Amino acid sequence: AQSVTQLGSHVSVSEGALVLLRCNYSSSVPPYLFWYVQYPNQGLQLLLKYTSAATLVKGINGFEAEFKKSETSFHLTKPSAHMSDAAEYFCAVSEGNQFYFGTGTSLTVIP
Amino acid sequence: GAVVSQHPSRVICKSGTSVKIECRSLDFQATTMFWYRQFPKQSLMLMATSNEGSKATYEQGVEKDKFLINHASLTLSTLTVTSAHPEDSSFYICSASLHISNTEAFFGQGTRLTVV
Repeated sequence: AQSVTQLGSHVSVSEGALVLLRCNYSSSVPPYLFWYVQYPNQGLQLLLKYTSAATLVKGINGFEAEFKKSETSFHLTKPSAHMSDAAEYFCAVSEGNQFYFGTGTSLTVIP
Repeated sequence: GAVVSQHPSRVICKSGTSVKIECRSLDFQATTMFWYRQFPKQSLMLMATSNEGSKATYEQGVEKDKFLINHASLTLSTLTVTSAHPEDSSFYICSASLHISNTEAFFGQGTRLTVV
């Protein structure tokens, strides 16, 4: 089975600073990888996904992630944090039509 | 992208009653839908996979008789929490995929269930 590890359950950054949320996966086959954002009491919104095309994936709201097979990583970054980025972020890997989620990282943006 | 609508967004019910949550794919047909449960500050836990026209597949530890799933059409799956208790209070989220070999899941807005 697939698994996903998100290092750091809480990350705080200053407004305008770099955002880096870490995700490592384990997979025996080339994975499909996703980052989702969740605002309080809402469902999940897709930020970006990797489906074996370009290793650097650009998503919405200025986020991007790089697939590194050698490191089995898919870290999420954003050059400059905005207050509206404060939310819960989930990394996920899919196998067939089943998703496996990381435990989530709560991002706080400090004014 | 495809839209999945979940209803209601919030529900409060008395202990012992049953609650039905609906998950609809609005602009596509979903042969498979998924039901997740999310505890506060935790990740999503897959409860069951709902297949149109057949019985749902439940994850280990999820009570089938407690969480009834019906997927009667290609656009609607329902989750009924039967004889609800306070420990069933949680955030429930459904998702649906466009294809069997899934490259993306579309999530509903979630339902906050509070059992009093």
